[in-house]
Amino acid sequence: DAKTTQPTSMDCAEGRAANLPCNHSTISGNEYVYWYRQIHSQGPQYIIHGLKNNETNEMASLIITEDRKSSTLILPHATLRDTAVYYCIAHGSSNTGKLIFGQGTTLQVKP
Amino acid sequence: GAVVSQHPSWVICKSGTSVKIECRSLDFQATTMFWYRQFPKQSLMLMATSNEGSKATYEQGVEKDKFLINHASLTLSTLTVTSAHPEDSSFYICSARRISGGLLGYTFGSGTRLTVV
Repeated sequence: DAKTTQPTSMDCAEGRAANLPCNHSTISGNEYVYWYRQIHSQGPQYIIHGLKNNETNEMASLIITEDRKSSTLILPHATLRDTAVYYCIAHGSSNTGKLIFGQGTTLQVKP
Repeated sequence: GAVVSQHPSWVICKSGTSVKIECRSLDFQATTMFWYRQFPKQSLMLMATSNEGSKATYEQGVEKDKFLINHASLTLSTLTVTSAHPEDSSFYICSARRISGGLLGYTFGSGTRLTVV
């Protein structure tokens, strides 16, 4: 899997959009960008994934740059329950199957 | 949706004893299960990969004789921490990969908090 780089921590006001960046400049053509989050003392939860195009689901939106070297996860209206560690992972089907987690971004949503 | 049940959610054991953690895929078959360990304020660290019916593959630095993994069926994998010591206290998380899930095939358990006293 390509290495990903994320800021260590971010704050966001409740009700505002949270924009979490991820750098994956060495991503290969067959690797998708996955986002997971981990709320304190729980297992990781899948959020969204994408290859080239921007994606949106009920939880979030994923914006991937045209050169695919970076992406941004957007939580449109952050709530206190969105406080968690967010992990960006570049992973491809040809890989060993392991999901390797980096350090992630700790998002603190404040009232 | 796919659900992975991990049990127990927390356990306290005495130093020198063994502890077994179960990971079950409730509504799907898992070709592969992964075990992670997470220390406070750190990321998840992959310990081992297990495939049904075969020996687990351990990551570098993980003692296979201390962390015994059994993947006896397509829905159950167990991690046994043998002769546990206080330094083994950690949050252990399993993940199951669905046979037909493709790139979305990973589901995580809710984790087990192990405290060795």
